[in-house]
Amino acid sequence: GAGVSQSPSNKVTEKGKDVELRCDPISGHTALYWYRQRLGQGLEFLIYFQGNSAPDKSGLPSDRFSAERTGESVSTLTIQRTQQEDSAVYLCASTLETMGGMGSGELFFGEGSRLTVL
Amino acid sequence: DAKTTQPPSMDCAEGRAANLPCNHSTISGNEYVYWYRQIHSQGPQYIIHGLKNNETNEMASLIITEDRKSSTLILPHATLRDTAVYYCIVESSNYKLTFGKGTLLTVNP
Repeated sequence: GAGVSQSPSNKVTEKGKDVELRCDPISGHTALYWYRQRLGQGLEFLIYFQGNSAPDKSGLPSDRFSAERTGESVSTLTIQRTQQEDSAVYLCASTLETMGGMGSGELFFGEGSRLTVL
Repeated sequence: DAKTTQPPSMDCAEGRAANLPCNHSTISGNEYVYWYRQIHSQGPQYIIHGLKNNETNEMASLIITEDRKSSTLILPHATLRDTAVYYCIVESSNYKLTFGKGTLLTVNP
């Protein structure tokens, strides 16, 4: 597809289970971002990838959260031992831009994965 | 501390211009002003960005004051589909953009 694709679009899980969220960025985009948006709140930055490496993981809320990117393409965000406070929409974005640069200034966002932890 | 201040909500009549203000009094010389919007249940969408000069594209115009301490996003002819949360973001690059709560613009028929 032409845009950023995320799956699943909705995930309901029980507290304590692990979940994996997937992001397919726009082909050729070197930079990939994960954000979290709790109900009624703004977006929180989680992690940034440049290629397959993650120069900034500072937004990951705890060691239960991890992310990887392979082939400079697909990324997965994994949440282990989910808690109710993890319930949120997880948004992925990609861009051609490199760290510290400007380029077009445009991040392309996916529709998000809505996670509900019961 | 938040880099930007926006009103929590605004209303606009369909067909009229919507003028969304943003204060960024602590902006530094290398920081850009970005605007994104988020329509309900969708991911954010880029609108426009600028450094010093006013900018215009097919979606909107961005007016930045000479001292760069504030800006206004202008949607020249608002439609019902423009109802969304509008985020004003100040950052030195598009890396790690910080999205606040934005302004909920409601376009009324």
